[in-house]
Amino acid sequence: GDSVTQMEGPVTLSEEAFLTINCTYTATGYPSLFWYVQYPGEGLQLLLKATKADDKGSNKGFEATYRKETTSFHLEKGSVQVSDSAVYFCALRSSNSGYALNFGKGTSLLVTP
Amino acid sequence: NAGVTQTPKFQVLKTGQSMTLQCAQDMNHNSMYWYRQDPGMGLRLIYYSASEGTTDKGEVPNGYNVSRLNKREFSLRLESAAPSQTSVYFCASSVTSGLSYNEQFFGPGTRLTVL
Repeated sequence: GDSVTQMEGPVTLSEEAFLTINCTYTATGYPSLFWYVQYPGEGLQLLLKATKADDKGSNKGFEATYRKETTSFHLEKGSVQVSDSAVYFCALRSSNSGYALNFGKGTSLLVTP
Repeated sequence: NAGVTQTPKFQVLKTGQSMTLQCAQDMNHNSMYWYRQDPGMGLRLIYYSASEGTTDKGEVPNGYNVSRLNKREFSLRLESAAPSQTSVYFCASSVTSGLSYNEQFFGPGTRLTVL
């Protein structure tokens, strides 16, 4: 079945460092891919999405490119801020289960001043 | 526009007790979902409702029941709570269509502890 694998955390970075969180997927067809962010004590918010191969999703300085050849959707940001500290989830939208999302296990990011 | 709301925010139960988690959305979405979030496990789908009047099992349905009361509301019931059901529960909703970019909107979660 469909699945998502993302890098284990926690990831600790200094402010203004470069961020990469790796995400690879297994799916039939061409699923839509998403990154969600969860700030402490809150629900999940959509960070960015890509719906087809070579699409680049971007938001708030974060970017991810849908790479069909490597089945990847890595999240990147050039200069992280303390306010980016959160848990990041990679997800794919399955055509099964009423278009529910299959999530990776999440990567916790802590940015220190 | 409140989005997706969930009640309660916190709950402590004893083993064997029952309770219902409430979820409502005001975005006129067709589909609604219940997920549970456990440390190191990401979010896993419990049940979903693709449209009013329909419900289906997700990845981890055992020990739960759901009711799609109307288009707005989707409740999750634990008939006899077990410690393994200690988790954070999230409700989500989205527009249903073949369009691939339909975003799911999440509620703030219910933190449930079963002793």
